[in-house]
Amino acid sequence: QGQLVQSGAELKTPGVSVKVSCKASGYSFIDYFVHWVRQAPGHGLEWLGWINPKNGAPNYAQKFHGRVTMTRDTSINTVYMELTTLRSDDTAIYYCMRGPANGGFDYWGQGALVTVSS
Amino acid sequence: DIVMTQSPDSLAVSLGERATITCKSSQSVLRTSNNKNYLAWYQQKPGQPPKLLIYWASIRESGVPDRFSGSGSGTDFTLTITSLQAEDVAIYYCQQSSGFPYTFGQGTKLEIK
Repeated sequence: QGQLVQSGAELKTPGVSVKVSCKASGYSFIDYFVHWVRQAPGHGLEWLGWINPKNGAPNYAQKFHGRVTMTRDTSINTVYMELTTLRSDDTAIYYCMRGPANGGFDYWGQGALVTVSS
Repeated sequence: DIVMTQSPDSLAVSLGERATITCKSSQSVLRTSNNKNYLAWYQQKPGQPPKLLIYWASIRESGVPDRFSGSGSGTDFTLTITSLQAEDVAIYYCQQSSGFPYTFGQGTKLEIK
């Protein structure tokens, strides 16, 4: 059974960057896109984008273009999501998910709480 | 962006009764290339990530109880839970992956009456 394990909670001050990792196991890492969404406290789900682990090609939601970067390291089956110029409204739980071709996200990481506060 | 609108925002149903949640998209999520609706449903319990219940609008994910079913096509979709169980208390989300950016509904909170 596959799983995704994310890095831990982060506390950041406004204006800096955060980098969250997501390590995959139990399935062929390069065969499935990895997506990222976030969930602000008490709010719904917002999709940030995906990365194709096979070739490293990303696709970002327009809202986050220029602030988000997704990368991967195939030697350790890990993808990374970096968000720059953090603001207080970036405070959220950030999830990584496996995205098979049917469009549903079947494996989810446990989430990483990123808190942005001065 | 494709806007996903769920109704109701919250719902209280008695144990053993049926719960119905609807999801409407601002554009069709049907891909004519393969005649599949790229619409998924998730269940989220407090402190947990969402769990995939349904994909392609009506296909149950492996391990999901058969009291959960999805239906609809194009822009109008329904998640039905027959014979509600106590463990079904959660927030339910629909999500489209037909067009970028992928978008979610605002969520429907399901409680026991």
